[in-house]
Amino acid sequence: DQQVKQNSPSLSVQEGRISILNCDYTNSMFDYFLWYKKYPAEGPTFLISISSIKDKNEDGRFTVFLNKSAKHLSLHIVPSQPGDSAVYFCAANTAYGGSQGNLIFGKGTKLSVKP
Amino acid sequence: EPEVTQTPSHQVTQMGQEVILRCVPISNHLYFYWYRQILGQKVEFLVSFYNNEISEKSEIFDDQFSVERPDGSNFTLKIRSTKLEDSAMYFCASSAGREQPQHFGDGTRLSIL
Repeated sequence: DQQVKQNSPSLSVQEGRISILNCDYTNSMFDYFLWYKKYPAEGPTFLISISSIKDKNEDGRFTVFLNKSAKHLSLHIVPSQPGDSAVYFCAANTAYGGSQGNLIFGKGTKLSVKP
Repeated sequence: EPEVTQTPSHQVTQMGQEVILRCVPISNHLYFYWYRQILGQKVEFLVSFYNNEISEKSEIFDDQFSVERPDGSNFTLKIRSTKLEDSAMYFCASSAGREQPQHFGDGTRLSIL
């Protein structure tokens, strides 16, 4: 049951360039989407979120784009820094639709930013 | 910045024993969650807790599991009669509202021998 899919297990980017992490979902009831970053031996750290009424949300170097018709979202990191090297998880839920907000996670994409 | 804290960081237990994993959510948060991640697999939802009761639970959260908020600060996950397949990282999370991001602790690594 893969309601949230991250099809790229890894991504390597040069420092200063743009990192683009992709996520697809199948459940059209999802209305809230989040990106988390995870370092080894730590819990997921919230990065940025977007509700389904928007198509873009920006916070500093991080921008999330949502394409509802394609059931696709992406996280852009510009410029990428070596400290961004981590596993990035996409997550979704039906928070506005009445559930208690339990998150469905993708498998994650390991980002490596090379100096 | 306020954070979710979990103890212990690592718990080793014999199969069949009971374990209690502890969490202190962020103080003004109202929604509490447990997730787990088996090695090499996705982070999976276990249970959500609001207003002193379970609000949702997954198929994983069977009669072996229970949660409690014994006082105003702690949120615990109890696993009775642990099995080998319970070995995983267990993450606690909390949020200020359903439409607010969930903030996670650093997890408890549970190893069942």
